[in-house]
Amino acid sequence: QQPVQSPQAVILREGEDAVINCSSSKALYSVHWYRQKHGEAPVFLMILLKGGEQKGHEKISASFNEKKQQSSLYLTASQLSYSGTYFCGAEDSGAGSYQLTFGKGTKLSVIP
Amino acid sequence: DTGVSQNPRHKITKRGQNVTFRCDPISEHNRLYWYRQTLGQGPEFLTYFQNEAQLEKSRLLSDRFSAERPKGSFSTLEIQRTEQGDSAMYLCASEGSSDNEQFFGPGTRLTVL
Repeated sequence: QQPVQSPQAVILREGEDAVINCSSSKALYSVHWYRQKHGEAPVFLMILLKGGEQKGHEKISASFNEKKQQSSLYLTASQLSYSGTYFCGAEDSGAGSYQLTFGKGTKLSVIP
Repeated sequence: DTGVSQNPRHKITKRGQNVTFRCDPISEHNRLYWYRQTLGQGPEFLTYFQNEAQLEKSRLLSDRFSAERPKGSFSTLEIQRTEQGDSAMYLCASEGSSDNEQFFGPGTRLTVL
């Protein structure tokens, strides 16, 4: 089952904050976040392995609420370089594999 | 560590022809994944190798698709009797046994005419 991402697209001015959500209908073992710029391969941002965990990378952080089967990506004080499409990849609990099911993505545009 | 490489980067073929793509993962990465991505969609899982063993294959994957990783290093993805619906970006990713991070290659863009 493909996770659902929201919003589908967002436009920010430099310095503004954004939240991208990723929800699954099934229990998740982990959530992986990637950013993909146009014409390029997805680039790993972070992984969340345990319920309730929150991780950060510079001004990008994420939380994972296992009970809600939801993860959120937080981008603070956005920079032009943050523009791209953000994908969450969900790994099912108990699936016994490392397969990721990706959402359809959230297109983020940061303007000056 | 030179990253994941894929060849060719672009392939244009006529419907009905066979195509083969190659992926060279990061050295010593034992896990290798193939994904397909179409415009406006996230990567869609196709298949997964641990060393030379193909451990998982998407239920949605047609019998026309086959993948190999004969020596546990590079991998090939072959599509037989291509159809226009096969047009997509084919991405390869590799992962080390101690990581949970998949490193993606630049992809092979397939266009079926």
